[in-house]
Amino acid sequence: EAGVAQSPRYKIIEKRQSVAFWCNPISGHATLYWYQQILGQGPKLLIQFQNNGVVDDSQLPKDRFSAERLKGVDSTLKIQPAKLEDSAVYLCASSLDSGRGTGELFFGEGSRLTVL
Amino acid sequence: GNSVTQMEGPVTLSEEAFLTINCTYTATGYPSLFWYVQYPGEGLQLLLKATKADDKGSNKGFEATYRKETTSFHLEKGSVQVSDSAVYFCALRDSSYKLIFGSGTRLLVRP
Repeated sequence: EAGVAQSPRYKIIEKRQSVAFWCNPISGHATLYWYQQILGQGPKLLIQFQNNGVVDDSQLPKDRFSAERLKGVDSTLKIQPAKLEDSAVYLCASSLDSGRGTGELFFGEGSRLTVL
Repeated sequence: GNSVTQMEGPVTLSEEAFLTINCTYTATGYPSLFWYVQYPGEGLQLLLKATKADDKGSNKGFEATYRKETTSFHLEKGSVQVSDSAVYFCALRDSSYKLIFGSGTRLLVRP
């Protein structure tokens, strides 16, 4: 069974530039998550989708971050304009249920962003 | 607010040594507790979980017991192997079903 796919694996940009990350969840998984993991910290939830609807985006900096999940399958996370403090690994995860069941999330390998 | 605190790493052990990674939490209500592991070059994956007080989660020789009285969920293994070298994350699922992670503990096992 294919896992969660993310791209690109690495990205280096200048501050004020824009960047986009793509995620393809495990087939059949209704729930998709984007997490931000800053070096030395645990993952922090940015946004959660249930199918193509947003369940929780309370910690998404909406002035610069946006995310969409068209057709309830793959998803894109965009940052525009990027700041130095956005340097982090962006993790995508998916789950079969809404998070109210087993609580097991399946993670991709992440996209490492460096903002110079 | 809800939070998870883990012991800082790295933890360096010799093969076959006993492992403990401490994890304590702060939460309202009765959260479910998890340990996730990230092996080099891979994504995080669920190692074990416990959903109520006194439950013991176990997998691959690892164990953790949900201790409500001490708000802890320490990870233990009796005899570690080189292949256990990874970063271990403790997490809780709060009342809104959101996962909150600790900062992670890197384990290095030497032959």
